[in-house]
Amino acid sequence: GAGVSQSPSNKVTEKGKDVELRCDPISGHTALYWYRQSLGQGLEFLIYFQGNSAPDKSGLPSDRFSAERTGGSVSTLTIQRTQQEDSAVYLCASSLTNEKLFFGSGTQLSVL
Amino acid sequence: QKEVEQNSGPLSVPEGAIASLNCTYSDRVSQSFFWYRQYSGKSPELIMSIYSNGDKEDGRFTAQLNKASQYVSLLIRDSQPSDSATYLCAVKIGGSNYKLTFGKGTLLTVNP
Repeated sequence: GAGVSQSPSNKVTEKGKDVELRCDPISGHTALYWYRQSLGQGLEFLIYFQGNSAPDKSGLPSDRFSAERTGGSVSTLTIQRTQQEDSAVYLCASSLTNEKLFFGSGTQLSVL
Repeated sequence: QKEVEQNSGPLSVPEGAIASLNCTYSDRVSQSFFWYRQYSGKSPELIMSIYSNGDKEDGRFTAQLNKASQYVSLLIRDSQPSDSATYLCAVKIGGSNYKLTFGKGTLLTVNP
């Protein structure tokens, strides 16, 4: 596709359940980012992938969060044992140069 | 002190006026600065980047950078109702060449 694709667009889950969020970056973009945006808050950096290099996981808020990127393309963000404070919009972005990020439309996660 | 700070607003201006959006950052070694626009319910999109002290103009938008004062601003001339959005200031903090730290954003409303 022409842009960054994220799925699902909305996810409602119960506290304690695991969720998987998917990101399909723009073809050819080697850099992939995950950010989280909570209501009234700025974007919070979660993780960065660049090609085959080890990812920068410094923004993951707890060990319940993990992410992988297969084949240098699609990425999955997994949240285990979800908590209500995990409720937010999870945004994926890709970039060719790290100077301009192209964001997907996000996944709205609601933990009940 | 937060790494990237913006007035949350809302900033309200009449159509045709100049809107002035301000951002301060804490890290003196930062070299790359960006303004993203985010319409309600949508994902952020890059509108300006600036790397050197002074002004950078692109159409109705002017970004201004003062590294000595650790201050970056965005001016929107001839504001239009379609400019109504949240404007996010983003900075590459700590000399990172990829990690963007965002402010919480300023909500701008342009009144017809």
